[in-house]
Amino acid sequence: EVQLVQSGPELKKPGESLKISCKGSGDSFSTYWIGWVRQMPGKGLESMGIIYPGDSETKYSPSFQGHVTISVDKSTYTAYLQWSTLEASDTAMYFCARAKLVPLTKLAFDYWGQGTLVSVSS
Amino acid sequence: QSVLTQPPSVSAAPGQKVTISCSGSSSNIGINFVSWYQQLPGTAPKLLIYDNNNRPSGIPNRFSGSKSGTSATLAITGLQTGDEADYYCGTWDTSLSAGVFGTGTKVTVL
Repeated sequence: EVQLVQSGPELKKPGESLKISCKGSGDSFSTYWIGWVRQMPGKGLESMGIIYPGDSETKYSPSFQGHVTISVDKSTYTAYLQWSTLEASDTAMYFCARAKLVPLTKLAFDYWGQGTLVSVSS
Repeated sequence: QSVLTQPPSVSAAPGQKVTISCSGSSSNIGINFVSWYQQLPGTAPKLLIYDNNNRPSGIPNRFSGSKSGTSATLAITGLQTGDEADYYCGTWDTSLSAGVFGTGTKVTVL
């Protein structure tokens, strides 16, 4: 069974750095795009970017380009979402999700992690 | 801000039907496939529909999707109290080279 297990909740201060993780199961991990999705408190889903573990090709949504870094370690079946300088506005739930094995023009996320709550406050 | 627009809320009595619209443009829905997600309170989203109108295994046929031009629609028939949730459309935007989600619609069962 496919599972995406995310790292635990984080409480950070503005200006600090952070890297959260999403660990997949099985060696087919490298053949599926993995996306990151933000959900701010009481708000909707926002696509942040997507990465292909096979060759680390990454596509960022314009709103997030330059603010976060998406990476992957295919040897450990783990995708990462990283901030170098957190802001209070980064407070949100972050989900990773696996895309179905189809071209991106048919993008659909069929498996989701449980979410990682990131709280940024002084 | 989302490039896909949905109504904020829809409601109906148990057993009735609701439809949720998702309006996009020629760079996203107009040329790519649409998926739909259900998010129950406090949980991760769940895929309901992919490729405009296909259901993953285990999703009841009360849920159906369609697409016409730059808009898509999710229909829920035989509404149940367990269907109370937020629903989101999603697709790929070729101009942005990124995935996009709709603004989300809250379904209330009266």
